[in-house]
Amino acid sequence: KNQVEQSPQSLIILEGKNCTLQCNYTVSPFSNLRWYKQDTGRGPVSLTIMTFSENTKSNGRYTATLDADTKQSSLHITASQLSDSASYICVVSDRGSTLGRLYFGRGTQLTVWP
Amino acid sequence: EADIYQTPRYLVIGTGKKITLECSQTMGHDKMYWYQQDPGMELHLIHYSYGVNSTEKGDLSSESTVSRIRTEHFPLTLESARPSHTSQYLCASSESDLRESYNEQFFGPGTRLTVL
Repeated sequence: KNQVEQSPQSLIILEGKNCTLQCNYTVSPFSNLRWYKQDTGRGPVSLTIMTFSENTKSNGRYTATLDADTKQSSLHITASQLSDSASYICVVSDRGSTLGRLYFGRGTQLTVWP
Repeated sequence: EADIYQTPRYLVIGTGKKITLECSQTMGHDKMYWYQQDPGMELHLIHYSYGVNSTEKGDLSSESTVSRIRTEHFPLTLESARPSHTSQYLCASSESDLRESYNEQFFGPGTRLTVL
């Protein structure tokens, strides 16, 4: 069964600190993995995308890693800001369908305190 | 910022009422999707469309229906709303060529539906 598991479920950090969010998946055949940021009451917005051959990708203060062998990914946030408070969702796409089906994790709810 | 819009953003309605959630996109995308999301839970695909006059049910069984008469418009309808329909509904769209877009889906802001 194709699944995406994220940890921790929630995380509270102080402004300026770093944090790392984890994602494990069992989706096969694998196409790509994205990290989305979802602000409260809004739709998800893509932060990074990684294909099978990529093992790291950065977008400003966000750095994602991918280990396709162990089927694990992480999202590292550097020098957190209050605006980073959101849910971060790991999304894995398979390449076995014409639909481009996405498999969603439940997200990690990050709260940044001043 | 993706050009995909949903209205209304919030809706509180009584049991038994018929409702339509609107979704429109200006990107010319052929593929469109409806997801349902409860707090702290993953998004569940309830409907999708490959293009005009194409609609399919998703993974999560839903009593809602959809239509795709125009490329840019993908409304979702509940004929008789019930409290169990209370949830957030997210609309998304993607390019036809998945190899070009790596399956990226662009999401609207969502509609928060509450059925009393």
